[in-house]
Amino acid sequence: EVHLVESGGVVVQPGGSLRLSCAASGFTFEEYNMHWVRQSPGRGLEWISLISWDGHKSYYADSVKGRFRISREKSPNSLILQMNSLRVEDSAFYYCARDKSPFHSGLGSYPMDSWGQGTLVTVSS
Amino acid sequence: IVMTQSPDSLAVSLGERATITCRSSQSILYTPYNKNYLAWYQQKPGQPPKLLISWASVRESGVPDRFRGSGSETDFTLTINSLQAEDVALYYCLQYYTTLGYSFGQGTKLEIK
Repeated sequence: EVHLVESGGVVVQPGGSLRLSCAASGFTFEEYNMHWVRQSPGRGLEWISLISWDGHKSYYADSVKGRFRISREKSPNSLILQMNSLRVEDSAFYYCARDKSPFHSGLGSYPMDSWGQGTLVTVSS
Repeated sequence: IVMTQSPDSLAVSLGERATITCRSSQSILYTPYNKNYLAWYQQKPGQPPKLLISWASVRESGVPDRFRGSGSETDFTLTINSLQAEDVALYYCLQYYTTLGYSFGQGTKLEIK
């Protein structure tokens, strides 16, 4: 069974930094693209970043480009989001999510089918 | 790519049909594969989103067949036939046409009338 568990969400001041982690298990981590998606309380979903299965490519929403950095680690399998220059509008639940299909399935990109429960980041003075 | 859903909220009687539309600012049909890179999600309070439909019309395993996705290129529809109480939720469309940037619709809140 796929298991994704986010951690690291806390209250941080504007301009501060934060590192989120997502522990992944139950699947072959190195075969899947991974994502971060956020949702401000009472608001909609916002895709913010993707990292390729091999860690060589990463993509960002304009709202976080230049401030956030996605990465992945092995042993244990983890997805990381380094968040810098935080703003009040970055306050949200942050979810990690996995592509529905492994990279070699041949259709390029996929929706996310497995999600963690999210970790809450609050940016406030 | 900007995804626009309508309506923002919807109230439907039990047993009736709910229809949610999603429009993309450009075609998300990849013609070499003849696939629309469009998914639908359901989100209930306090839970992460649940993938209902991918490739515009392919239901996930375990999703009731009253959920139906349709459409192509820029215009897509999620139809929920014979609405059940457990279908009350937020619904989102997602385009995954390019890894350069996925994008969600703003969401549609479905309630019972």
